Amino acid sequence: GESVGLHLPTLSVQEGDNSIINCAYSNSASDYFIWYKQESGKGPQFIIDIRSNMDKRQGQRVTVLLNKTVKHLSLQIAATQPGDSAVYFCAENKLYYGGSQGNLIFGKGTKLSVKP
Amino acid sequence: ETGVTQTPRHLVMGMTNKKSLKCEQHLGHNAMYWYKQSAKKPLELMFVYNFKEQTENNSVPSRFSPECPNSSHLFLHLHTLQPEDSALYLCASSPIGYEQFFGPGTRLTVL
Repeated sequence: GESVGLHLPTLSVQEGDNSIINCAYSNSASDYFIWYKQESGKGPQFIIDIRSNMDKRQGQRVTVLLNKTVKHLSLQIAATQPGDSAVYFCAENKLYYGGSQGNLIFGKGTKLSVKP
Repeated sequence: ETGVTQTPRHLVMGMTNKKSLKCEQHLGHNAMYWYKQSAKKPLELMFVYNFKEQTENNSVPSRFSPECPNSSHLFLHLHTLQPEDSALYLCASSPIGYEQFFGPGTRLTVL
C-alpha cells in the first residue's frame, strides 16, 4: 500500500554536528513533501517543504533533499542544537488543482536527541 | 504559535461521559482536520472539512462525531469512548493543498 516511512526511529547526535533524517515514500504520484518537527507536549510544526520539480531546498540551518528515482527524502540539520531535540515527521501529498484537497500521509517519525 | 488553538489541553473522562473538543483558527484557511496521535504510531487522519463540508471520514467509529459550524471552528464530540481511544487529538488547518498548521493538541485519557 501507499506509505511514508522513516528508516530509523531514533537518532542521537552531538551538539554542533550535522543531523540527517531519512524518509522513504512509496507513492510515485506524490508531488509535495513536508517535514514537521514535534516537540514534547506540542503539535507538529512545519519546518520546510519541497515540490517534486525540485531536488533540493534550503532553509535556515535545514536542507531537504528529494531523490525521486529512489523515492527518498532527507532532512539535514546543520550545527544541531539542543533545541532541535524533537520527533521529526515527513509527510507526502498529491497536490490537486481546481478543487479537492490532497491529504497528507505521515510517516512514523524519528526522535532526534542532541547530546551536549 | 501556529494560529490554531485547541481546548481543553487535557481531558480525563469516563467511558459513559460526553465531552467535546474545540479547535479554532483565524488564519483564513478553508480546510480543517482532526488527527489522532497514539504512541509509536503515525498520525491518523480522522476527518477533513473543506469550506465547512465534511470531505473525508477515515473509517472513524461513530462515537466520534465532528462538527464544523463555520470555517474557523471545528469540534469533535465524544461519547461512550473506550480506553483505547486515549491519545493526543490534533486539529490542523490549511489553505487547500498546502502545508497544514497544527494546534497543540488535546491529551485525552479515557478511564
